[in-house]
Amino acid sequence: NAGVTQTPKFQVLKTGQSMTLQCAQDMNHNSMYWYRQDPGMGLRLIYYSASEGTTDKGEVPNGYNVSRLNKREFSLRLESAAPSQTSVYFCASSELGRVNEQFFGPGTRLTVL
Amino acid sequence: SQQGEEDPQALSIQEGENATMNCSYKTSINNLQWYRQNSGRGLVHLILIRSNEREKHSGRLRVTLDTSKKSSSLLITASRAADTASYFCATRSGGGADGLTFGKGTHLIIQP
Repeated sequence: NAGVTQTPKFQVLKTGQSMTLQCAQDMNHNSMYWYRQDPGMGLRLIYYSASEGTTDKGEVPNGYNVSRLNKREFSLRLESAAPSQTSVYFCASSELGRVNEQFFGPGTRLTVL
Repeated sequence: SQQGEEDPQALSIQEGENATMNCSYKTSINNLQWYRQNSGRGLVHLILIRSNEREKHSGRLRVTLDTSKKSSSLLITASRAADTASYFCATRSGGGADGLTFGKGTHLIIQP
């Protein structure tokens, strides 16, 4: 039982390049999330997927797109990376419902030059 | 916007002492959760307290919630070096989303 896995762990991009961050969970959770964490800040919600087939914007969705590929996988895409997107990205999952704890992946450290 | 704000931003204590961190939030909540983040790692859920609860215990952790003051505190008793980490409070996002809104965290250092 690996929990929540993310790939890659580290990535360096040039401004304007695109990339997709991958996330998968093996806990049969319905809901999945993408957050970003900047230095000295808490996590901010980018997008979430309450259940398979649905996605919704969070607090900071601009510059990102997501795909809920199936119940296990939720990917985050940067179409044209900008230096302001330099951050650590975390994927999380939870059971459907507002009272449940979230389980986090180890994060992807992204640098955009 | 940050819903929760932790206080203090940083805390350094001796091993064996108790550590108290506070969290204030702005809007009504369904529940409040505390997470721990070790350096370079993902967040780990510690404890959840519902809006109709006032106090909750889990091992060496004690959480209180005062909805009238929109505040919560996390107490770690008999601290250990392994407790060195950042601690975040989190509440359900105010926009109806199912995601959480996190504070900026308290960085706790336990001196051996």
